[in-house]
Amino acid sequence: GNSVTQMEGPVTLSEEAFLTINCTYTATGYPSLFWYVQYPGEGLQLLLKATKADDKGSNKGFEATYRKETTSFHLEKGSVQVSDSAVYFCALSVYQAGTALIFGKGTTLSVSS
Amino acid sequence: DTGVSQDPRHKITKRGQNVTFRCDPISEHNRLYWYRQTLGQGPEFLTYFQNEAQLEKSRLLSDRFSAERPKGSFSTLEIQRTEQGDSAMYLCASSSILEGGTGLAGVLEQFFGPGTRLTVL
Repeated sequence: GNSVTQMEGPVTLSEEAFLTINCTYTATGYPSLFWYVQYPGEGLQLLLKATKADDKGSNKGFEATYRKETTSFHLEKGSVQVSDSAVYFCALSVYQAGTALIFGKGTTLSVSS
Repeated sequence: DTGVSQDPRHKITKRGQNVTFRCDPISEHNRLYWYRQTLGQGPEFLTYFQNEAQLEKSRLLSDRFSAERPKGSFSTLEIQRTEQGDSAMYLCASSSILEGGTGLAGVLEQFFGPGTRLTVL
């Protein structure tokens, strides 16, 4: 079946530290990969996406590269800010399976100044 | 604001009561999804519509749950005889999919609403 595994949190960092949140997936088809973010008190927002192998999604200083050989889509940011504190969800969808998103459990990031 | 809206934002009910939630998608979007999110977990897919047709239902959608999208615009999710285990955030999302496309052409971003938080006492 299709599934997403992401590193458990919480992740606690100081401002300007480097961030990595690991995400690996299993998929029966050829998935598109996403990172969604949920800020406190707000709804889910798409952070970035990649639709084919070796694509790099990027937004707001965050990046993730679609690695088919390692079935991974790790989220990185070179210098986090307090405003990045949120819950981050890795997700996939498989067109042939109806494009419903399959989410990981989420990783809570807390950044202190 | 032309985003996805959901109503109500919060619902508290007693076990055994019926509840109904509404979702208004982005107007030009032809796909509408329902998800459920419990504390500390990622959203789990429940069902989706393309226009007015309900194309897929998850195993999570027991026979107490029913969803409709009668005119291909807004959707409702009804839970009958609520149980304490139904307490969760119910999320709606919409997207636009290219008709007649193949492969990746039809995979477009899903936009989420703020959710309806259900508490069953």
